[in-house]
Amino acid sequence: IAGITQAPTSQILAAGRRMTLRCTQDMRHNAMYWYRQDLGLGLRLIHYSNTAGTTGKGEVPDGYSVSRANTDDFPLTLASAVPSQTSVYFCASSEGSRSLYANTGELFFGEGSRLTVL
Amino acid sequence: AQSVTQLGSHVSVSEGALVLLRCNYSSSVPPYLFWYVQYPNQGLQLLLKYTTGATLVKGINGFEAEFKKSETSFHLTKPSAHMSDAAEYFCAVSPNYGGSQGNLIFGKGTKLSVKP
Repeated sequence: IAGITQAPTSQILAAGRRMTLRCTQDMRHNAMYWYRQDLGLGLRLIHYSNTAGTTGKGEVPDGYSVSRANTDDFPLTLASAVPSQTSVYFCASSEGSRSLYANTGELFFGEGSRLTVL
Repeated sequence: AQSVTQLGSHVSVSEGALVLLRCNYSSSVPPYLFWYVQYPNQGLQLLLKYTTGATLVKGINGFEAEFKKSETSFHLTKPSAHMSDAAEYFCAVSPNYGGSQGNLIFGKGTKLSVKP
């Protein structure tokens, strides 16, 4: 059972370079999310997608972009990386129905991608 | 705006002792409530959740949490700590917008250490 697969697991990147973090899920979940985790700040939502073809901004979207061409894939792109984007990035998915009566709200997480921008 | 507060960024207990991790939320309408656990170098996994019904919910590995609306709290407990419980624990809420569910909001996390 794969669940959520993220790549790469770790990357060191020069400032100004473009970087795409990949995320693939095999659970046919409608909703997908990107979080960044920083010491003392917990997890903060970057972007999300409720269903294929739609995306939305989270709490800290600046400097990041996403696309959702199909159900399974949700790549996160840093167009021009900066040192403040050094973080651990987690992709997650959920069943996605927004109805409180149909959705448990549980997120399933990948193992994370550790990104260092120098 | 919704928020989640976890009291104590680091909690240390002895093996066999009670574990108590505190979580308070701000919401005028009871949200869905969650506890997630993160072991070193891994992603988060669901420990337990409260949606509706019984306010005392049981999760995996002997953990439980009680939803107290009057106190806007959802504290996590375990009667007897085990070495394998050492991890970081995150409380999260999913806001209730009149029947529609919002994105999860996470607390900053509490790192649990267990001493032999």
